[in-house]
Amino acid sequence: EAGVAQSPRYKIIEKRQSVAFWCNPISGHATLYWYQQILGQGPKLLIQFQNNGVVDDSQLPKDRFSAERLKGVDSTLKIQPAKLEDSAVYLCASSLESRGDETQYFGPGTRLLVL
Amino acid sequence: AQTVTQSQPEMSVQEAETVTLSCTYDTSESDYYLFWYKQPPSRQMILVIRQEAYKQQNATENRFSVNFQKAAKSFSLKISDSQLGDAAMYFCAYKRGQNFVFGPGTRLSVLP
Repeated sequence: EAGVAQSPRYKIIEKRQSVAFWCNPISGHATLYWYQQILGQGPKLLIQFQNNGVVDDSQLPKDRFSAERLKGVDSTLKIQPAKLEDSAVYLCASSLESRGDETQYFGPGTRLLVL
Repeated sequence: AQTVTQSQPEMSVQEAETVTLSCTYDTSESDYYLFWYKQPPSRQMILVIRQEAYKQQNATENRFSVNFQKAAKSFSLKISDSQLGDAAMYFCAYKRGQNFVFGPGTRLSVLP
């Protein structure tokens, strides 16, 4: 079974530029999560999708971050414009459903550096 | 808001020995889930063990076990017979409904 795929693995941009990350969850997983992991910290949930609908985006900085999950499969996370403090690893995870104990499977992450 | 605290930024253990990683959390809820995740260097995060708050019995997965003290809001992870492959960042996490919160992590080194 293929795992969660993310691309690109690394990205370096200058502040005020735009960037997009892509995630392909495990086949059949209805729930998809995007996390931001700043160096030395635990992951912070940005947004959660159930199929193609948003379940929770309370911690997503909506003035500059956007995410979509068209057709309930792949997802993209965009930052426009980027700030220095956006430098982090962006993790995508998926689970079969969103039950409380449902195991989340994580992708390798995209490491973003904003200069 | 719920918070998860891991008071040990770094820990080390001798190979084959036992180590315990600490985690405390803050919640006013009675029904929730707790998790330990492992993030090896440059590798993907994986689930180590999980615990339902309504279960009194501590969860066990092979060499990994937890000490869940609900009243104290404590959820420690014990790794027995430590192996070199156990070296990683370990994150404690709390989940209730859509609220999923990770702690800051503990970096575990395993000494040969």
